[in-house]
Amino acid sequence: GQQLNQSPQSMFIQEGEDVSMNCTSSSIFNTWLWYKQDPGEGPVLLIALYKAGELTSNGRLTAQFGITRKDSFLNISASIPSDVGIYFCAGRLTGANSKLTFGKGITLSVRP
Amino acid sequence: GAGVSQSPSNKVTEKGKDVELRCDPISGHTALYWYRQSLGQGLEFLIYFQGNSAPDKSGLPSDRFSAERTGGSVSTLTIQRTQQEDSAVYLCASSLSGGTGELFFGEGSRLTVL
Repeated sequence: GQQLNQSPQSMFIQEGEDVSMNCTSSSIFNTWLWYKQDPGEGPVLLIALYKAGELTSNGRLTAQFGITRKDSFLNISASIPSDVGIYFCAGRLTGANSKLTFGKGITLSVRP
Repeated sequence: GAGVSQSPSNKVTEKGKDVELRCDPISGHTALYWYRQSLGQGLEFLIYFQGNSAPDKSGLPSDRFSAERTGGSVSTLTIQRTQQEDSAVYLCASSLSGGTGELFFGEGSRLTVL
């Protein structure tokens, strides 16, 4: 089945720094999604990408859908303490019955 | 509320007992997923319902796990003869059929098997 690879498992950055997270796949996806999970809560959608090469921003977040359709990255600029959490990438093939596949997530820690 | 609702939010049970976890998806969402998240781990896919199609059960870890979705809305995940390794947060999510694939998650049901 499809697998999404996220690494490293954990990242530690200083407040104010930028951070980039990558997600790669052995399969081609037609939708890429980035989610963030705060402790004790369910994941919440951050950014959705629907077209190869698409670059989308949401405040301090920027994400891109790779040209090969096998990868995506998420950038967080000027990190703040509330950016702490687990960041998941997810990919979906076309078709109404296609399920979403998630990566294992990256736990981000921000030092004040 | 308008979001995905899960109950119970916390469940403590003894090894060997059966448990049922419930999910109320967002109204109008025909796709429903169950995921399991162990402590500090990622999202493990369990089962996927899409409209009236046969569910994708490929992620269920054993035959002790089953799920059903009645009337295309509420779903129940049942774990029979619970084991300690079943302890985890069980997350439910829903999305629009034929939509853009954006899942909306509930807050999860935390299961602890003693």
